Amino acid sequence: GEDVEQSLFLSVREGDSSVINCTYTDSSSTYLYWYKQEPGAGLQLLTYIFSNMDMKQDQRLTVLLNKKDKHLSLRIADTQTGDSAIYFCAESDTGRRALTFGSGTRLQVQP
Amino acid sequence: EAQVTQNPRYLITVTGKKLTVTCSQNMNHEYMSWYRQDPGLGLRQIYYSMNVEVTDKGDVPEGYKVSRKEKRNFPLILESPSPNQTSLYFCASRSTDTQYFGPGTRLTVL
Repeated sequence: GEDVEQSLFLSVREGDSSVINCTYTDSSSTYLYWYKQEPGAGLQLLTYIFSNMDMKQDQRLTVLLNKKDKHLSLRIADTQTGDSAIYFCAESDTGRRALTFGSGTRLQVQP
Repeated sequence: EAQVTQNPRYLITVTGKKLTVTCSQNMNHEYMSWYRQDPGLGLRQIYYSMNVEVTDKGDVPEGYKVSRKEKRNFPLILESPSPNQTSLYFCASRSTDTQYFGPGTRLTVL
């Protein structure tokens, strides 16, 4: 079945860039998402990218997609303490509307 | 404001006592689903619904039921909850390319 993998933990200093990586196995993935979950809160959609795109930028967020390697990354520029959260990578295809999630990467931002 | 609401947000119950978690969306989406979130496992889909009266199993459906009698509501039913159903539950509804999540229901089964 489909599988999405992420590293569990990332620690950065405030002001540095954070890069969270994700790999997936489903070659028919159409949409790839990044969600943010703050402690005690639900999932907030940060951004998503279509599989026919290589890059998408939205303010401090940059998503890079390497479809050949099935690798997705989220770069957060000028990371702030408010960016501390768990970040989930997810994928789906047009036929299967369910999202398959990674296990989440906990980002810790140190002052 | 587009939103997905769930109730209750927190629930502590005992083994075997039937419970229902409600979910409602105001975006007229056809597709709705339920997920559970467990540490180290991410989110796993329990059930989904493509439209009114159309429901199907997700990856972890055992011990759960759902119904979709109207478009906006998609309740999750636990007929006889067990401790292994202690988890954080999210309802979601989906447009063409974006999935919106509810705030979550933290369920503890003693």
